[in-house]
Amino acid sequence: DTAVSQTPKYLVTQMGNDKSIKCEQNLGHDTMYWYKQDSKKFLKIMFSYNNKELIINETVPNRFSPKSPDKAHLNLHINSLELGDSAVYFCASSQGSRGGYDTEAFFGQGTRLTVV
Amino acid sequence: QKEVEQDPGPLSVPEGAIVSLNCTYSNSAFQYFMWYRQYSRKGPELLMYTYSSGNKEDGRFTAQVDKSSKYISLFIRDSQPSDSATYLCATGISNFGNEKLTFGTGTRLTIIP
Repeated sequence: DTAVSQTPKYLVTQMGNDKSIKCEQNLGHDTMYWYKQDSKKFLKIMFSYNNKELIINETVPNRFSPKSPDKAHLNLHINSLELGDSAVYFCASSQGSRGGYDTEAFFGQGTRLTVV
Repeated sequence: QKEVEQDPGPLSVPEGAIVSLNCTYSNSAFQYFMWYRQYSRKGPELLMYTYSSGNKEDGRFTAQVDKSSKYISLFIRDSQPSDSATYLCATGISNFGNEKLTFGTGTRLTIIP
């Protein structure tokens, strides 16, 4: 039973299109994240949500819009896709800190986005 | 300068060798330190986690943190071909629901049988 699942696994699309990536976690975690991993394997946070509330919004173009309908889901919508958006996008979740250090992030398998 | 620096490798060692992977970080506010392992075409998975200076062992893996020099290491003893993966160090600040992991660039490791 997959803990953090994201769909689709692969996404090939043309420049200018709008696309969405979906993520669901069944761990009961309060915090969910989107990370971007570039071709050099550098993993960088984009957004985090805690209980459906946006907490972290790094300097990401506003073409990227996360949406959290409930605390188990965090989707990523991307408008007007550009060549530079090609990367692997990872969804992750964690329990978050509650006076402790329980911050292990569990990652999904990634969505490999290729913009052509 | 990146907040967390890691030699990207690649690093190839023979089976059975001791592997040493290293990171340095610049923000002295970082409180916890992690090592993630990422197999090809998979998501990262947590390998080791510590929040204090010193050593932490788990089987063949030892994580070492030196907060005074802002240095993080991962040692793998008796390395196996199944250890071939990209290893990412990560650090963060505990902030009650506002945690953010900062990753190094990852070191690609190959264990040669």
